[in-house]
Amino acid sequence: GAVVSQHPSRVICKSGTSVKIECRSLDFQATTMFWYRQFPKQSLMLMATSNEGSKATYEQGVEKDKFLINHASLTLSTLTVTSAHPEDSSFYICSAKRTHRSYNEQFFGPGTRLTVL
Amino acid sequence: AQSVTQLDSQVPVFEEAPVELRCNYSSSVSVYLFWYVQYPNQGLQLLLKYLSGSTLVKGINGFEAEFNKSQTSFHLRKPSVHISDTAEYFCAVRAPWGNSGGSNYKLTFGKGTLLTVNP
Repeated sequence: GAVVSQHPSRVICKSGTSVKIECRSLDFQATTMFWYRQFPKQSLMLMATSNEGSKATYEQGVEKDKFLINHASLTLSTLTVTSAHPEDSSFYICSAKRTHRSYNEQFFGPGTRLTVL
Repeated sequence: AQSVTQLDSQVPVFEEAPVELRCNYSSSVSVYLFWYVQYPNQGLQLLLKYLSGSTLVKGINGFEAEFNKSQTSFHLRKPSVHISDTAEYFCAVRAPWGNSGGSNYKLTFGKGTLLTVNP
């Protein structure tokens, strides 16, 4: 149990286009999901926290209008990279929080590799 | 706020040798501690976690870690590594959800340690 999927796993797009990445919790409901960005050979940096039915909370330095997050249901959050540029190329990983008895645990998706040409 | 320091960016070892990946943290509140493994082009998989209780925590794939509060460390160990253990390992901390406000509840990751197991 506790599986998180991401789609697509890999996407290549032209500069100026928008790309949508989906994050789904397959066998549990997630009121909170997180979006991370990882540059090559670096750690994960939290971009935003997404709560179902409300606006996402963005980390300092992350452009809200650039990275649109929608958490429309308890099993789906989407990240849209608008007007993508080569510097947006990165590995994007989502994570979903599952409440299990008294402990809340985060489960990570497999990631989406975005390449902007 | 918390911070995590992984002292070694790369650790090369031979197959069947023991390994220790070091992790130190700082926090103004009590935290949970985690080790994650990331294989190339994949997401993160939880190896083990320390929430409370016994300071020696056993995880998957034969890994274990020991929480040392006085030294604020949470080093990861494995007595005998395999080629398949080659991966990036991340140490992370966060405060218990609902226990403190602000950014403490968010996972804070170290920079990672690349473990390379050679034949």
